[in-house]
Amino acid sequence: NAGVIQTPRHKVTGKGQEATLWCEPISGHSAVFWYRQTIVQGLEFLTYFRNQAPIDDSGMPKERFSAQMPNQSHSTLKIQSTQPQDSAVYLCASSSGLGVDTQYFGPGTRLLVL
Amino acid sequence: GDQVEQSPSALSLHEGTGSALRCNFTTTMRAVQWFRKNSRGSLINLFYLASGTKENGRLKSAFDSKERYSTLHIRDAQLEDSGTYFCAAGTGGYKVVFGSGTRLLVSP
Repeated sequence: NAGVIQTPRHKVTGKGQEATLWCEPISGHSAVFWYRQTIVQGLEFLTYFRNQAPIDDSGMPKERFSAQMPNQSHSTLKIQSTQPQDSAVYLCASSSGLGVDTQYFGPGTRLLVL
Repeated sequence: GDQVEQSPSALSLHEGTGSALRCNFTTTMRAVQWFRKNSRGSLINLFYLASGTKENGRLKSAFDSKERYSTLHIRDAQLEDSGTYFCAAGTGGYKVVFGSGTRLLVSP
């Protein structure tokens, strides 16, 4: 079991460019979560999918951020027109989705917007 | 909203000693999870508890939903235990709230 896979591990973009982050959940897990970690805010929930359907995106910034899960094997987090304040570590986690359950985290993608 | 207060924010231990980290919750949580961030930045699962205590090697965690707290005890600390530890708790659904982290430094 390779665990949750996130790519790329590091990404540097210029202000105004688009960034797409990828997550491959653990095989068989039906729930996928995206979080963002910054020094100022700590770990913040962004969005959640269950069986590929978006369940809750209440943590997503209203503009420029979007997430998709086109199939059970991967999810993407896209940031359009990136800004320096988007710089953070973006973490993906998956769980079996059976109620309250352990979430398994990926290594994260460290995004730096210059 | 739901909050998790984690303490201490930083902790220094000498090898072989021990201490405890604590998370207090402002509301009743159904489960708690403890993580350690490793040197590569990955969040490593340590414990998941819906109640009671769990022990793994030199680590032991307890969760009291009614009293709204959880603890992580480290005994016989080793250099490789250094890192940042987080607790995260949920009210029964999918969303978890994270503590602010405890930065542990174990020195010789």
